[in-house]
Amino acid sequence: EVQLVESGGGLVQPGGSLRLSCSASGFTFSAYWMHWARQAPGKGLTWVSRITPDGGHTDYADSVKGRFTISRDNARNTLFLQMNSLRVEDTALYFCVRGTIDWPGQDYWGQGTLVTVSS
Amino acid sequence: DIVMTQTPLSSPVTLGQPASISCTSSQSLVHSSGDTCLDWLQQRPGQPPRLLIYKISNRFSGVPDRFSGSGAGTDFTLNISRVEAEDVGVYYCMQSTQAPITFGQGTRLEIK
Repeated sequence: EVQLVESGGGLVQPGGSLRLSCSASGFTFSAYWMHWARQAPGKGLTWVSRITPDGGHTDYADSVKGRFTISRDNARNTLFLQMNSLRVEDTALYFCVRGTIDWPGQDYWGQGTLVTVSS
Repeated sequence: DIVMTQTPLSSPVTLGQPASISCTSSQSLVHSSGDTCLDWLQQRPGQPPRLLIYKISNRFSGVPDRFSGSGAGTDFTLNISRVEAEDVGVYYCMQSTQAPITFGQGTRLEIK
Protein backbone atom coordinates (compact mmCIF):
# COMPACT_ATOMS: atom_id res chain seq x y z
CA GLU A 1 0.00 0.00 0.00
CA VAL A 2 1.33 3.40 -1.01
CA GLN A 3 1.75 5.67 2.00
CA LEU A 4 2.94 9.27 2.13
CA VAL A 5 3.28 10.87 5.55
CA GLU A 6 4.11 14.56 5.81
CA SER A 7 5.60 16.29 8.84
CA GLY A 8 7.29 19.54 9.80
CA GLY A 9 4.42 21.98 9.58
CA GLY A 10 3.69 24.56 12.24
CA LEU A 11 3.33 28.22 13.09
CA VAL A 12 6.06 30.55 11.85
CA GLN A 13 6.43 34.32 11.63
CA PRO A 14 6.62 36.12 8.29
CA GLY A 15 10.17 35.93 6.98
CA GLY A 16 10.83 32.69 8.82
CA SER A 17 11.72 29.22 7.58
CA LEU A 18 10.36 25.68 7.82
CA ARG A 19 11.44 22.34 6.43
CA LEU A 20 8.74 19.86 5.49
CA SER A 21 9.40 16.14 5.17
CA CYS A 22 7.45 13.36 3.50
CA SER A 23 8.16 9.75 4.38
CA ALA A 24 7.21 7.37 1.59
CA SER A 25 6.52 3.64 1.75
CA GLY A 26 4.82 0.88 -0.21
CA PHE A 27 6.54 1.61 -3.52
CA THR A 28 9.99 2.06 -5.07
CA PHE A 29 10.47 5.70 -4.11
CA SER A 30 13.56 6.20 -6.29
CA ALA A 31 11.58 5.40 -9.46
CA TYR A 32 9.02 8.19 -9.18
CA TRP A 33 8.75 11.91 -9.72
CA MET A 34 7.51 13.52 -6.51
CA HIS A 35 5.53 16.73 -6.02
CA TRP A 36 4.42 19.17 -3.37
CA ALA A 37 1.01 20.81 -3.66
CA ARG A 38 -0.84 23.09 -1.27
CA GLN A 39 -4.32 24.20 -0.30
CA ALA A 40 -4.96 27.48 1.47
CA PRO A 41 -7.75 27.33 4.08
CA GLY A 42 -11.11 26.98 2.31
CA LYS A 43 -9.50 27.29 -1.11
CA GLY A 44 -8.58 25.07 -4.05
CA LEU A 45 -5.47 23.11 -4.96
CA THR A 46 -2.22 24.65 -6.17
CA TRP A 47 0.85 22.84 -7.44
CA VAL A 48 4.07 23.97 -5.73
CA SER A 49 7.06 21.98 -6.93
CA ARG A 50 8.29 18.71 -8.42
CA ILE A 51 11.51 16.71 -8.58
CA THR A 52 12.79 13.98 -10.89
CA PRO A 53 13.41 10.45 -9.56
CA ASP A 54 17.18 11.04 -9.25
CA GLY A 55 16.79 14.54 -7.85
CA GLY A 56 18.65 16.05 -10.77
CA HIS A 57 15.91 18.36 -11.97
CA THR A 58 13.38 20.49 -10.12
CA ASP A 59 10.54 22.83 -11.06
CA TYR A 60 8.68 25.45 -9.03
CA ALA A 61 5.55 27.54 -9.17
CA ASP A 62 6.37 31.20 -9.82
CA SER A 63 4.90 32.11 -6.43
CA VAL A 64 7.60 30.14 -4.55
CA LYS A 65 10.55 30.27 -6.95
CA GLY A 66 13.69 31.48 -5.21
CA ARG A 67 12.22 30.88 -1.74
CA PHE A 68 11.41 27.15 -1.67
CA THR A 69 13.72 24.23 -2.44
CA ILE A 70 12.56 20.69 -3.10
CA SER A 71 14.95 17.78 -2.52
CA ARG A 72 14.90 14.06 -1.83
CA ASP A 73 16.88 11.33 -0.12
CA ASN A 74 16.24 8.11 -2.01
CA ALA A 75 18.19 6.06 0.54
CA ARG A 76 15.73 7.18 3.23
CA ASN A 77 12.62 7.27 0.99
CA THR A 78 12.04 10.86 2.02
CA LEU A 79 11.01 14.01 0.19
CA PHE A 80 11.73 17.50 1.54
CA LEU A 81 10.56 21.04 1.03
CA GLN A 82 12.75 23.80 2.47
CA MET A 83 10.66 26.96 2.76
CA ASN A 84 12.44 30.28 3.37
CA SER A 85 11.24 33.89 3.48
CA LEU A 86 7.75 32.69 4.31
CA ARG A 87 4.82 35.01 3.66
CA VAL A 88 1.32 35.15 5.11
CA GLU A 89 0.01 33.95 1.74
CA ASP A 90 2.04 30.72 2.09
CA THR A 91 -0.36 29.61 4.84
CA ALA A 92 -1.79 26.32 3.61
CA LEU A 93 -2.05 22.58 4.02
CA TYR A 94 0.95 21.14 2.18
CA PHE A 95 0.56 17.78 0.46
CA CYS A 96 3.22 15.35 -0.69
CA VAL A 97 2.08 13.76 -3.97
CA ARG A 98 3.50 10.89 -5.99
CA GLY A 99 3.98 11.44 -9.69
CA THR A 100 2.83 8.90 -12.23
CA ILE A 101 4.95 6.64 -14.38
CA ASP A 102 3.34 6.78 -17.80
CA TRP A 103 2.00 10.34 -17.88
CA PRO A 104 3.18 13.56 -16.19
CA GLY A 105 0.39 13.52 -13.62
CA GLN A 106 -0.04 12.58 -9.98
CA ASP A 107 -1.73 9.66 -8.28
CA TYR A 108 -1.35 9.24 -4.50
CA TRP A 109 -1.64 12.12 -2.00
CA GLY A 110 -0.54 12.29 1.62
CA GLN A 111 -2.76 13.63 4.39
CA GLY A 112 -0.95 16.97 4.46
CA THR A 113 0.85 19.10 7.03
CA LEU A 114 -0.40 22.55 7.99
CA VAL A 115 1.85 25.59 7.68
CA THR A 116 0.62 28.81 9.27
CA VAL A 117 2.53 32.04 8.65
CA SER A 118 1.42 34.73 11.05
CA SER A 119 2.83 37.33 13.39
CA ASP B 1 -0.10 28.74 -17.63
CA ILE B 2 -3.11 26.71 -18.75
CA VAL B 3 -6.29 27.92 -17.06
CA MET B 4 -8.85 25.27 -16.09
CA THR B 5 -12.46 26.40 -15.70
CA GLN B 6 -15.09 24.21 -14.08
CA THR B 7 -18.87 24.49 -14.20
CA PRO B 8 -20.94 24.49 -12.13
CA LEU B 9 -19.12 25.54 -8.97
CA SER B 10 -21.84 23.98 -6.86
CA SER B 11 -24.10 21.06 -7.72
CA PRO B 12 -26.98 20.01 -5.47
CA VAL B 13 -28.05 16.50 -6.46
CA THR B 14 -30.69 14.04 -5.28
CA LEU B 15 -29.42 10.67 -4.09
CA GLY B 16 -29.62 8.11 -6.87
CA GLN B 17 -29.72 10.77 -9.60
CA PRO B 18 -26.93 11.52 -12.07
CA ALA B 19 -24.47 14.40 -11.80
CA SER B 20 -22.22 16.01 -14.35
CA ILE B 21 -19.29 18.42 -14.02
CA SER B 22 -17.64 20.22 -16.93
CA CYS B 23 -14.07 21.38 -17.28
CA THR B 24 -12.66 23.57 -20.02
CA SER B 25 -8.98 24.30 -20.60
CA SER B 26 -7.59 27.50 -22.09
CA GLN B 27 -5.61 25.47 -24.64
CA SER B 28 -5.52 21.95 -25.99
CA LEU B 29 -4.41 19.30 -23.50
CA VAL B 30 -3.02 16.93 -26.11
CA HIS B 31 0.51 16.08 -24.95
CA SER B 32 3.45 15.56 -27.31
CA SER B 33 3.16 11.86 -26.47
CA GLY B 34 -0.34 11.81 -27.96
CA ASP B 35 -1.97 11.38 -24.55
CA THR B 36 -4.36 13.96 -23.13
CA CYS B 37 -3.29 14.56 -19.56
CA LEU B 38 -6.59 15.51 -17.96
CA ASP B 39 -7.44 13.96 -14.61
CA TRP B 40 -10.27 14.25 -12.10
CA LEU B 41 -9.80 14.28 -8.33
CA GLN B 42 -12.26 13.93 -5.48
CA GLN B 43 -11.78 15.58 -2.10
CA ARG B 44 -14.18 14.42 0.58
CA PRO B 45 -14.65 16.68 3.62
CA GLY B 46 -11.57 16.62 5.82
CA GLN B 47 -9.69 14.30 3.48
CA PRO B 48 -6.83 14.77 1.01
CA PRO B 49 -7.59 14.66 -2.71
CA ARG B 50 -7.94 11.25 -4.33
CA LEU B 51 -7.38 10.44 -8.00
CA LEU B 52 -10.60 9.27 -9.65
CA ILE B 53 -10.08 9.44 -13.41
CA TYR B 54 -6.84 9.77 -15.36
CA LYS B 55 -6.17 10.65 -18.99
CA ILE B 56 -9.78 11.70 -19.61
CA SER B 57 -11.58 8.41 -19.09
CA ASN B 58 -9.57 5.82 -17.16
CA ARG B 59 -10.82 4.92 -13.69
CA PHE B 60 -8.07 4.74 -11.07
CA SER B 61 -7.65 1.74 -8.79
CA GLY B 62 -10.66 1.18 -6.54
CA VAL B 63 -12.89 3.80 -8.14
CA PRO B 64 -16.52 2.67 -8.56
CA ASP B 65 -17.80 2.29 -12.10
CA ARG B 66 -20.53 4.88 -11.54
CA PHE B 67 -17.77 7.44 -12.20
CA SER B 68 -16.85 8.07 -15.83
CA GLY B 69 -14.97 10.69 -17.79
CA SER B 70 -15.16 11.90 -21.36
CA GLY B 71 -14.04 14.67 -23.64
CA ALA B 72 -11.25 15.74 -25.94
CA GLY B 73 -9.06 18.73 -26.75
CA THR B 74 -10.24 21.46 -24.41
CA ASP B 75 -13.62 20.21 -23.15
CA PHE B 76 -14.06 17.46 -20.60
CA THR B 77 -16.80 16.03 -18.41
CA LEU B 78 -17.00 13.96 -15.25
CA ASN B 79 -20.21 11.98 -14.88
CA ILE B 80 -21.59 10.19 -11.86
CA SER B 81 -24.36 7.83 -12.96
CA ARG B 82 -26.13 7.55 -9.60
CA VAL B 83 -24.97 9.78 -6.77
CA GLU B 84 -24.40 8.15 -3.39
CA ALA B 85 -23.98 9.85 -0.01
CA GLU B 86 -20.24 9.09 0.01
CA ASP B 87 -19.79 11.14 -3.17
CA VAL B 88 -20.26 14.42 -1.29
CA GLY B 89 -17.19 16.61 -1.59
CA VAL B 90 -15.30 18.82 -4.01
CA TYR B 91 -14.23 17.63 -7.45
CA TYR B 92 -11.27 19.08 -9.31
CA CYS B 93 -10.07 18.69 -12.85
CA MET B 94 -6.31 18.84 -13.28
CA GLN B 95 -4.04 19.12 -16.31
CA SER B 96 -0.46 17.91 -16.47
CA THR B 97 0.08 18.27 -20.21
CA GLN B 98 2.05 21.48 -19.77
CA ALA B 99 4.05 22.64 -16.75
CA PRO B 100 3.01 23.94 -14.34
CA ILE B 101 0.28 21.51 -13.37
CA THR B 102 -2.94 23.47 -12.92
CA PHE B 103 -6.29 22.69 -11.34
CA GLY B 104 -9.84 23.84 -11.85
CA GLN B 105 -11.49 25.90 -9.09
CA GLY B 106 -13.38 22.90 -7.80
CA THR B 107 -17.05 21.89 -7.92
CA ARG B 108 -18.85 21.24 -4.66
CA LEU B 109 -21.22 18.26 -4.89
CA GLU B 110 -23.90 18.28 -2.23
CA ILE B 111 -27.04 16.30 -1.57
CA LYS B 112 -30.37 18.09 -1.89
